[in-house]
Amino acid sequence: ETGVTQTPRHLVMGMTNKKSLKCEQHLGHNAMYWYKQSAKKPLELMFVYNFKEQTENNSVPSRFSPECPNSSHLFLHLHTLQPEDSALYLCASSQGGPVEETQYFGPGTRLLVL
Amino acid sequence: QKEVEQNSGPLSVPEGAIASLNCTYSDRGSQSFFWYRQYSGKSPELIMSIYSNGDKEDGRFTAQLNKASQYVSLLIRDSQPSDSATYLCAVLEGGGSYIPTFGRGTSLIVHP
Repeated sequence: ETGVTQTPRHLVMGMTNKKSLKCEQHLGHNAMYWYKQSAKKPLELMFVYNFKEQTENNSVPSRFSPECPNSSHLFLHLHTLQPEDSALYLCASSQGGPVEETQYFGPGTRLLVL
Repeated sequence: QKEVEQNSGPLSVPEGAIASLNCTYSDRGSQSFFWYRQYSGKSPELIMSIYSNGDKEDGRFTAQLNKASQYVSLLIRDSQPSDSATYLCAVLEGGGSYIPTFGRGTSLIVHP
């Protein structure tokens, strides 16, 4: 248990559906991240928020829309996804400062797009 | 473009042997280095961090850092089948940056 929770753990959706992934951290961290991990590919950083402000958007398609209402919660809104978006979506948090930047990962949401 | 390179493996070692995992990075200004372990179907978890040149030991794990040569390694002594996982190297540049760059990971298989 890392102090970072994600729901749902598994999600199957059609290409026309709209769904949201939720992440919550109980560590008092200031920075939160969304990563995508596809089979046999490295971790891909998608979005970073620090003190609720988006500081990184790695050319992610607009069908992925992040939301960070406060430093403890992070959402990823999904709409009109493609089958190639099927992957493990990981949320992480860290202090957001210059030292000891260990990332604490949630258990992930395994997404299948049909 | 910051790059972190790892041999994807798999690296196969017998139980009880020393497993040596290597990572090179391109940004000479990098200051912080991390090794994460990821079991199949699970999320990454930190096992070691290192900030200064030299060795850092924690139980069966030793991280080695050589900033002049821009590489960081992880040695696992007395390898166990439970060590079988993918090991991710992550590098953080200095100057207040907090977003690490991850390598693609090395798959380690420890066979009985």
